[in-house]
Amino acid sequence: DTAVSQTPKYLVTQMGNDKSIKCEQNLGHDTMYWYKQDSKKFLKIMFSYNNKELIINETVPNRFSPKSPDKAHLNLHINSLELGDSAVYFCASTPQRGAQSETQYFGPGTRLLVL
Amino acid sequence: EDKVVQSPLSLVVHEGDTVTLNCSYEVTNFRSLLWYKQEKKAPTFLFMLTSSGIEKKSGRLSSILDKKELFSILNITATQTGDSAVYLCGLTSGTYKYIFGTGTRLKVLA
Repeated sequence: DTAVSQTPKYLVTQMGNDKSIKCEQNLGHDTMYWYKQDSKKFLKIMFSYNNKELIINETVPNRFSPKSPDKAHLNLHINSLELGDSAVYFCASTPQRGAQSETQYFGPGTRLLVL
Repeated sequence: EDKVVQSPLSLVVHEGDTVTLNCSYEVTNFRSLLWYKQEKKAPTFLFMLTSSGIEKKSGRLSSILDKKELFSILNITATQTGDSAVYLCGLTSGTYKYIFGTGTRLKVLA
């Protein structure tokens, strides 16, 4: 069974479009994250939700809007896509804080290409 | 500002060589240091380090943390072509924050 899943795996779209990426984890974790990884493999945190509440919101354009309908899901909606948004977007989750492990479990990534 | 710096940025070795990857950091509220291996897809967890001087081992890989000098190393002995990957070092800071370095790209030639 997939622990952290993302859809779609690949997304090719035109500049100016609006798109969404979905993430689901079946690990029972409380905290979920979105990361952007550029072509040089730099992994940068974008957002984090703990139990449906936004707890980290890094310097990200407000065209990016996360939504967490429940603690197992964290979706990312992007408005007015730009060329610079092309990257791989990873979803990740971690157990409740105070747990023994702070290991992050990553989804397979969504490769976004904006033309 | 919290940051993680990895070196070297890339490395090419031959099978059987031993490699040492470095991770230095600055952080205001250190909780743990994490190493990940990333091949073609998602990063996969290798080690979590919280205490200085205690080596963690998994097969041919080992890692150690020095909280006084603010760095960690990841050693890989008897490298194999399957070790070719990007190795990411990350920190947890404060309650929820994760910060990653730019990674070291390792290529092992047969």
